[in-house]
Amino acid sequence: DIQMTQSPSTLSASVGDRVTITCRASQNIHDWLAWYQQKPGEAPKLLIYKASTLEGGVPSRFSGSGSGTDFTLTISSLQPDDFASYHCQQYDTGFSFGQGTKLEIK
Amino acid sequence: QLVESGGGLVQPGGSLRLSCAASEFSFRTFYMHWVRQVPGKGLVWVSRISDDGTDKSYADFVKGRFTISRDNARNILYLQMDSLRAEDTAVYYCARYYDAFDLWGQGTMVTVSS
Repeated sequence: DIQMTQSPSTLSASVGDRVTITCRASQNIHDWLAWYQQKPGEAPKLLIYKASTLEGGVPSRFSGSGSGTDFTLTISSLQPDDFASYHCQQYDTGFSFGQGTKLEIK
Repeated sequence: QLVESGGGLVQPGGSLRLSCAASEFSFRTFYMHWVRQVPGKGLVWVSRISDDGTDKSYADFVKGRFTISRDNARNILYLQMDSLRAEDTAVYYCARYYDAFDLWGQGTMVTVSS
């Protein structure tokens, strides 16, 4: 099974900050990597697929990069609506998620 | 959209059937999945079914206990959960697979407790 490791688990930041969340796969997943945003009490929402493709309607301040085993999600300038949890997911072989990153207001 | 139902409180060893009603898209052309989440924890993939229902896969921890199925005439996805354990307690989401999991239901809570 492919293990996905996200870091950090918790991130404190301020509005306007640039933040980066990383995700590492236990083996090569090429670019079969997605990022989801989840707010308390809500379902996850797809932000990015194929490592770097922005889902329709997602603001351009979100971006994804990486291939193989190392990936990043970057938010270029945090907005109040961005404080949420973020999950990475591989769908190269089976399906597995990282443990999540909670983005908190500093 | 996707709307789950069927969650609730069940005793260990009991059974529950979750439903996921799809609308506003061509349900029969999409692979569908179940994902669960213990509140405050990460997402965990549970099961997948092909568009025509002939190909199914399961996470090891539910294999032999859970059964995924679908009714393409009624646009409904199911998850039959038998031999439930306390560790199956979670919010269960159905999700559509296209570009990754691009559409999710709101989730239904399953609590396994005596």
